[in-house]
Amino acid sequence: DQQVKQNSPSLSVQEGRISILNCDYTNSMFDYFLWYKKYPAEGPTFLISISSIKDKNEDGRFTVFLNKSAKHLSLHIVPSQPGDSAVYFCAASAIQGAQKLVFGQGTRLTINP
Amino acid sequence: EAGVTQFPSHSVIEKGQTVTLRCDPISGHDNLYWYRRVMGKEIKFLLHFVKESKQDESGMPNNRFLAERTGGTYSTLKVQPAELEDSGVYFCASSQGVLAGGTFFGPGTRLTVL
Repeated sequence: DQQVKQNSPSLSVQEGRISILNCDYTNSMFDYFLWYKKYPAEGPTFLISISSIKDKNEDGRFTVFLNKSAKHLSLHIVPSQPGDSAVYFCAASAIQGAQKLVFGQGTRLTINP
Repeated sequence: EAGVTQFPSHSVIEKGQTVTLRCDPISGHDNLYWYRRVMGKEIKFLLHFVKESKQDESGMPNNRFLAERTGGTYSTLKVQPAELEDSGVYFCASSQGVLAGGTFFGPGTRLTVL
């Protein structure tokens, strides 16, 4: 029973273009969502987050959108850079387990020069 | 400031053997977590310590797994006896506050059970 799903295992984008990574969730109790970035042989690194009271959060080239009615969130990276090539994990937490993260399977993003 | 460190980085053992993984959290972080990623799937929560106490161990797969956090500092995760399905990457993470975004992950220990 996977509560957080990333249905695209991989994504390839040209440098300078927009990368859009998607994530769906099923648990209505989730109220805090995060994106992590992971390079090989390293642990996940926090990238950006959004609370369920918002529908958008922006940090530089990274923007996360949340659609609560559809239980869907997305991460936009623009413009995409070669250093953005990594595995991106979507994660969620519920207020009662604020520190316990539920992750998706990850999407491998490749930025082509 | 040093990040979360884990030892060893890799471990290869045979089925039935015992392995102990170690995690040193960021200094001052009361919260320590263990997660596991199996075969390129999602990263799954195993358990959460607050200082030396187990706050949530709902993700521990079975009683072959034993986690401890001595004196609220470093933590160990022992698998005894190891089974083939225990293979994966074990991540440790730590945080100071309650916001999940303040959780820092270690590089992981890749465990291979043959």
